[in-house]
Amino acid sequence: ETGVTQSPTHLIKTRGQQVTLRCSSQSGHNTVSWYQQALGQGPQFIFQYYREEENGRGNFPPRFSGLQFPNYSSELNVNALELDDSALYLCASSFGWNSPLHFGNGTRLTVT
Amino acid sequence: AQSVTQLDSQVPVFEEAPVELRCNYSSSVSVYLFWYVQYPNQGLQLLLKYLSGSTLVKGINGFEAEFNKSQTSFHLRKPSVHISDTAEYFCAVSFNSGGYQKVTFGIGTKLQVIP
Repeated sequence: ETGVTQSPTHLIKTRGQQVTLRCSSQSGHNTVSWYQQALGQGPQFIFQYYREEENGRGNFPPRFSGLQFPNYSSELNVNALELDDSALYLCASSFGWNSPLHFGNGTRLTVT
Repeated sequence: AQSVTQLDSQVPVFEEAPVELRCNYSSSVSVYLFWYVQYPNQGLQLLLKYLSGSTLVKGINGFEAEFNKSQTSFHLRKPSVHISDTAEYFCAVSFNSGGYQKVTFGIGTKLQVIP
């Protein structure tokens, strides 16, 4: 089975710019979640998508938005980047609400 | 609200010694419990999970964890660690929040295995 893949692996952006991160879910998984992991912290939940709709959101501002496509792949968009947005962004797919999350290797975003 | 507390930020241990990584959680509803491991420059990998049934759960790489409802704990143990176990370990709780899976992670415990 194909695991969760994320692109790009690293990204450097300037404050105020916009960024799009991409994720391909593990085959057979219909739910995708995005997490932000700042240095030295645990992953923080951004939002979750199920059947192309956002069905849950953490404590992140609206400039964090996402999409899920019919093939269950997903994008995370961040507008008006701030320095504090520098982090590892993790995508995780799952099937069913009590199933374990399967994570990709993440995208390391640096905002300067 | 749910929360997860990992009591030790770093745990140094000699190779072949036993180790316990502590995790306590707080929740007003029933939760499912997980341990994940993160190696440098990688995502998180599931070690083990507790959904129901036996409170002693065995996972990959020789790890096990015991769910203690009265103490709201889910400590991770391994009887003999190896150099390759050096990584960061995250405890997590999951519950159904209005139709979606809300997962809360602890801050992580860095396990350093000393040769």
